[in-house]
Amino acid sequence: QKEVEQDPGPLSVPEGAIVSLNCTYSNSAFQYFMWYRQYSRKGPELLMYTYSSGNKEDGRFTAQVDKSSKYISLFIRDSQPSDSATYLCAIGNEKLTFGTGTRLTIIP
Amino acid sequence: NAGVTQTPKFQVLKTGQSMTLQCAQDMNHNSMYWYRQDPGMGLRLIYYSASEGTTDKGEVPNGYNVSRLNKREFSLRLESAAPSQTSVYFCASSDGLAGPQYFGPGTRLLVL
Repeated sequence: QKEVEQDPGPLSVPEGAIVSLNCTYSNSAFQYFMWYRQYSRKGPELLMYTYSSGNKEDGRFTAQVDKSSKYISLFIRDSQPSDSATYLCAIGNEKLTFGTGTRLTIIP
Repeated sequence: NAGVTQTPKFQVLKTGQSMTLQCAQDMNHNSMYWYRQDPGMGLRLIYYSASEGTTDKGEVPNGYNVSRLNKREFSLRLESAAPSQTSVYFCASSDGLAGPQYFGPGTRLLVL
């Protein structure tokens, strides 16, 4: 079993829809949970960062951590074409393990 | 602030050639990392440096060496390049080993 699993997609949704992206992980000791956005041929850009558990909101983005289920989510409200990118989850403690990424396309 | 910078942006090598990828950060971070990104494999850690003067192997260190030149700079060397090392290489830095990492723009390497 991989330490971090992420559905690779691709995922296509119409502009304005709510997007839900998810990752599962196997190590219950993990405390740091991050989401990165990566545009084509660019480096990953930190989007959301959560320590331990709970929800965090930043504008149209909400990150949720459910430690009991070992499951994290990223929600994007009012999705825009500029949100089209690959989204990577990263989970760990002293070292991060990255998901393989979900490719998202927002259709105008 | 430039953040994390990497040179070169793109490189083509022949099998057996050597090269060094350079990385620098201006965020006064203690920890630095080298990853490779391949289709379907995600980001895999090659080497990391928890602090100036220390380096440790990551998940896929074979065929690579690193040098933490000072607090700002962390280089990755391929002594004898192989086609399996064709990849996109990213450098990252963080304040400490735990917590968010900040990435550079990447180096695309093609080994023929």
